[in-house]
Amino acid sequence: QQQVKQSPQSLIVQKGGISIINCAYENTAFDYFPWYQQFPGKGPALLIAIRPDVSEKKEGRFTISFNKSAKQFSLHIMDSQPGDSATYFCAASSKAAGNKLTFGGGTRVLVKP
Amino acid sequence: GAVVSQHPSRVICKSGTSVKIECRSLDFQATTMFWYRQFPKQSLMLMATSNEGSKATYEQGVEKDKFLINHASLTLSTLTVTSAHPEDSSFYICSAAPTGAGTEAFFGQGTRLTVV
Repeated sequence: QQQVKQSPQSLIVQKGGISIINCAYENTAFDYFPWYQQFPGKGPALLIAIRPDVSEKKEGRFTISFNKSAKQFSLHIMDSQPGDSATYFCAASSKAAGNKLTFGGGTRVLVKP
Repeated sequence: GAVVSQHPSRVICKSGTSVKIECRSLDFQATTMFWYRQFPKQSLMLMATSNEGSKATYEQGVEKDKFLINHASLTLSTLTVTSAHPEDSSFYICSAAPTGAGTEAFFGQGTRLTVV
């Protein structure tokens, strides 16, 4: 059973545009929701994370929106740049489960110049 | 941010041999480290949780006798793929969270294992 569902699987956006990636979760015990960026052949790098007591968090061009009642959260990449072309993963974890991360399926983002 | 170093970054081994992958937290102590496996164009799948000084906890479907994990110190965990077969070829990634510092986990750069 996939506990974190991510969409879309791939995304093409023009330089300067907005990339939007959505995730939905099922386990209401999740209390930490990070987003990771991964380049080919590299490990994931933490971009931004949010906890359920906050509805939005912004860091630079990256914003997480969180809807606790709908059990959904999304990543917005503003002013997308070619260097943002990568695979993005949402994830979720709960302290009760030892902070083990459950990852979404990933979204391959291509930013065209 | 904190640094997690994984070694080697690439390894090719013959079928039937064993391969050891190291995961080190360079500037923090980690009571717990995690090992993931990632197939091409797929997500990360948690294999096991490595606990310092105790036995690792394996996820359902992961053979503990095939994927041996040792977490001998607060900065080092190792994953040994025993009697490797071509189907074990994959990208293996470790992560670690600073002890007592909450939930943020830092990932190693990954190890590409190819079994021929």
